[in-house]
Amino acid sequence: NAGVTQTPKFQVLKTGQSMTLQCAQDMNHEYMSWYRQDPGMGLRLIHYSVGAGITDQGEVPNGYNVSRSTTEDFPLRLLSAAPSQTSVYFCASSSGTVSYNEQFFGPGTRLTVL
Amino acid sequence: DAKTTQPPSMDCAEGRAANLPCNHSTISGNEYVYWYRQIHSQGPQYIIHGLKNNETNEMASLIITEDRKSSTLILPHATLRDTAVYYCIVRAGQGAQKLVFGQGTRLTINP
Repeated sequence: NAGVTQTPKFQVLKTGQSMTLQCAQDMNHEYMSWYRQDPGMGLRLIHYSVGAGITDQGEVPNGYNVSRSTTEDFPLRLLSAAPSQTSVYFCASSSGTVSYNEQFFGPGTRLTVL
Repeated sequence: DAKTTQPPSMDCAEGRAANLPCNHSTISGNEYVYWYRQIHSQGPQYIIHGLKNNETNEMASLIITEDRKSSTLILPHATLRDTAVYYCIVRAGQGAQKLVFGQGTRLTINP
């Protein structure tokens, strides 16, 4: 299994540009999440999904959209990039069939907005 | 969610046991204690979790006090590769997608 994969690994955007960060998992996990991590800080939840067609907002959802059309994929869209969105973005997935929450994280996408 | 308190940094000698404390005095009865770590700039990695009893796996041991208001993660024989930021998170079990990461403890293993 490849686990959780994210593309691209690095991205530089100009203010106002839009882009989509890709996340995929091959573990048939129901749950998927997007976090951002600013320098020296812990991770903050942006959006999450408990299954295909179901998404919800996390702690810092403004400026981001998500959709979940398949179990495997959970893309994160930046609608109009701002310098405040410069961060490292992590995608995670976990199984909904166990009683505890072990999240598997991808390697991250490092985004710089100029 | 119960808030957790961890020391910002700790040092440990290679080969010794690393004991990382976590306070979670407002934990509810249905909330688990999870530990994750983040090595350098990688994605966080799950280590262990527990509800009431002490737990052990191939990576670490988790000791939870009887009143559940604090816990300790133990890395029995720390190596240089254990240098990382360790996060203690308290969250209910099922459907627990909203993991709240604090700033964690930066553990440095010294040769």
